[in-house]
Amino acid sequence: GQSLEQPSEVTAVEGAIVQINCTYQTSGFYGLSWYQQHDGGAPTFLSYNGLDGLEETGRFSSFLSRSDSYGYLLLQELQMKDSASYFCAVGGIYNQGGKLIFGQGTELSVKP
Amino acid sequence: DVKVTQSSRYLVKRTGEKVFLECVQDMDHENMFWYRQDPGLGLRLIYFSYDVKMKEKGDIPEGYSVSREKKERFSLILESASTNQTSMYLCASSGASGRVGTGELFFGEGSRLTVL
Repeated sequence: GQSLEQPSEVTAVEGAIVQINCTYQTSGFYGLSWYQQHDGGAPTFLSYNGLDGLEETGRFSSFLSRSDSYGYLLLQELQMKDSASYFCAVGGIYNQGGKLIFGQGTELSVKP
Repeated sequence: DVKVTQSSRYLVKRTGEKVFLECVQDMDHENMFWYRQDPGLGLRLIYFSYDVKMKEKGDIPEGYSVSREKKERFSLILESASTNQTSMYLCASSGASGRVGTGELFFGEGSRLTVL
């Protein structure tokens, strides 16, 4: 089976940097993805790590260490609009038709 | 832009009713998924389909069935709704080509079902 662990809540101030961790246990691993979901909205794709290392997309970066079964999402220069839930997910396009298994989500609150 | 459209944003049904949730995507994606989202539990996979008329059980298929008669449409069916199926239901799709290997799913806005 597969399971993912991430913190349920994180609070930070505007302009700060925050890191959301994700550890996983899986019988087969094809990559770690991150999704953002604003209250009442649809989850939207943020990033994907298929290999170890850091992927950077603007203010957001994502890291993967397959040997440690661990990854994180790094958000820099936090803005109020970053307040949302963030989900890590394992799976990938080659794994059973792109099936993803999601973590429980981390609710990020950005304070002024 | 990819668009995933779910037929109903909000539904209220009674226990024992048959419920159909419809999902249509406009990007010719091979893969389609149904998740339910509950507070503190994240997104849990109910069923998915990687081709027309093909379906696979996810982690919580009990009490649900699905239908995929056309590539663009994936329906979730609750044969006899129960109160513990009150939830937000999210449909998603992904392609086997294009952004291959990125793990990118495109989600609909969700259907919030209340079973009384």
